[in-house]
Amino acid sequence: QSALTQPASVSGSPGQSITISCTGTSSDVGSYNLVSWYQQHPGKAPKLMIYEVSKWPSGVSNRFSGSKSGTTASLTISGLQAEDEADYYCCSYAGSNTYVFGTGTKVTVL
Amino acid sequence: EVQLVESGGGLVQPGGSLRLSCAASGFTFSSYWMSWVRQTPGKGLEWVANIKQDGSEKYYVHSVKGRFTISRDNAKSSLYLQMNSLRAEDTAVYFCARAASSSWFHWGQGTLVTVSS
Repeated sequence: QSALTQPASVSGSPGQSITISCTGTSSDVGSYNLVSWYQQHPGKAPKLMIYEVSKWPSGVSNRFSGSKSGTTASLTISGLQAEDEADYYCCSYAGSNTYVFGTGTKVTVL
Repeated sequence: EVQLVESGGGLVQPGGSLRLSCAASGFTFSSYWMSWVRQTPGKGLEWVANIKQDGSEKYYVHSVKGRFTISRDNAKSSLYLQMNSLRAEDTAVYFCARAASSSWFHWGQGTLVTVSS
């Protein structure tokens, strides 16, 4: 099981929108609508931002949105804010009760 | 408030063993799948293991199969990870997490395991 592929870094100015891609295979992202996204600030535990491709957990801003097309899932952050600067990871169900994470993306707010 | 508190991490020699614990509170522990997820220093996240509510089903990432065992004690609201035959590449922060909808809504703060001679 190989890690899902994410860009190493994405940056944007405050107020802008950015999109992080997460590319998998037909065995994981392409087969299940079970992609989740996590935000992680340095030294902190990950925080769930999106689950089941495009659903929001309670308390998460709707500036974060998720989508999927084929074997690629995406996380879009709209109205970028300084507090959004963090690492972001996607994760997909990969069948047989197993999961695979993405390689992670560092988001920088310019 | 959901709380997950890991313990048991530390320095261990290659080939050694360690048992991690996760104390859960603020929710009905026996109603949820639970997981261990690890993060190697400066690198990414990796799902390690899952366990069903009653402990009857357990699943592992390939790299730890046969070496790690996930277990739980619902009476104590506790999750465990027994790690044997530890290798340098097992060095990581290990997080306990509550699973739902194939995602992890709640995470502990993690416990660091260092495998080194």
